[in-house]
This record gives sequence, C-alpha cells and structure tokens, in this order.
Amino acid sequence: EDQVTQSPEALRLQEGESSSLNCSYTVSGLRGLFWYRQDPGKGPEFLFTLYSAGEEKEKERLKATLTKKESFLHITAPKPEDSATYLCAVQASGGSNYKLTFGKGTLLTVNP
Amino acid sequence: GAGVSQSPSNKVTEKGKDVELRCDPISGHTALYWYRQSLGQGLEFLIYFQGNSAPDKSGLPSDRFSAERTGGSVSTLTIQRTQQEDSAVYLCASSQRSGGNTGELFFGEGSRLTVL
Repeated sequence: EDQVTQSPEALRLQEGESSSLNCSYTVSGLRGLFWYRQDPGKGPEFLFTLYSAGEEKEKERLKATLTKKESFLHITAPKPEDSATYLCAVQASGGSNYKLTFGKGTLLTVNP
Repeated sequence: GAGVSQSPSNKVTEKGKDVELRCDPISGHTALYWYRQSLGQGLEFLIYFQGNSAPDKSGLPSDRFSAERTGGSVSTLTIQRTQQEDSAVYLCASSQRSGGNTGELFFGEGSRLTVL
C-alpha cells in the first residue's frame, strides 16, 4: 500500500526565515510526486510534479527536490502570503496509476 | 475559464438522511475524482471516472456511498442514511488525462458536510 508521511505537522516561521518541509513516501514504483498548496476553505492547488530522483523544480520562493525515498519543499525568505497547508502526493506506476495518495499536510504559518 | 464547481458548499443534515453532492468539472476534462478530507486526515480517494470507462469505486467506504457521472460531465456523489462519521469536506477534481504524466488535478472548493 502506498504511503506518504509529511513532517512537521505544523511549522511557524518569521518572515524571511527559510526552512524546509519533508515528505517521505513508500510506493511500489513511482510515476510522480506532487506538491499542492491548500488555503483555508479552498481546494488544493497544484504546485509541482517531480518524476525522478535528483529532479528539482522552482516557483518563486519555493523549490521542490526529490530523492528515492523523500521529497523536500524548500521555502526561501517566506512571506506571510506563503501561509497555507502544503500537501504532498504520490502516483504509482502500473495498475491504478491515476490515483494520487496524499499525506496529511504541513500547516505553514509565516508571521510578519 | 471556469474552474471545477461544487454544490452545495455547505450541507448540514440529520443522521439517517440522504444527501447529494454535485460536481461540475472543467469543460473538456475527461477524468473526474472524488476525495474526502476529514479533520486532521489526508485526502482519502473515493472514486474515479475516466470517459466512458467503468469507474473505479474501490475507495468508497461503504455501500451507502454511490456516485454517477452523466454524459461524461457532471457527477453526483450520493450518501444514503448518513452517519456522523460521514462529516467531512468532499472534494471533486478533474484533469485532462488519467494516469500518464499528469497528476495535475484541478480541485473544486469542496462541499462541507455536517451530520448532526
């Protein structure tokens, strides 16, 4: 069974204080790993797809990296508007490869 | 263009009543998913539709849950004889393709169900 574990559950940062969120996964063949952002009362919004170990993707203050066992979402000099829950999900290769298995998320709060 | 639309946004019902939740996906998206998000839990897969293929219902938690998709577009999730443990946010998502190199799902804002 595919599993995704995210840590920490919650993270509080000061504006400008860089940090990283972790996503550990177990999957029988990885097709893709995905990061989403979810604001309160909204549905998740797609951020990145990573396909293979060593791959990196960047978007503004966010950079996602991937190894064979985990992914990191690095946040550089965060701003209060980066406050949200960040969700990690994996998609397995073969079989029901359309399913995304999600972690419980990391609630990020950036204080001004 | 318009995103994924879900209704109602909030639903309060009494235990034992039936409820229907509606999802209108992005036009042209052939894949449609229902997920459930409970407090403190990750998104739980419920059901998947792709074009005219038989849906994958493997995530439905009990036979009280059912879903249909008419004309390859609008989908309805029905929960019969609701229980308090059914209280959650029900999220619908659509995408242009199933599997493949996608994973970019477009989510609606969800329907928050509260069973008293």
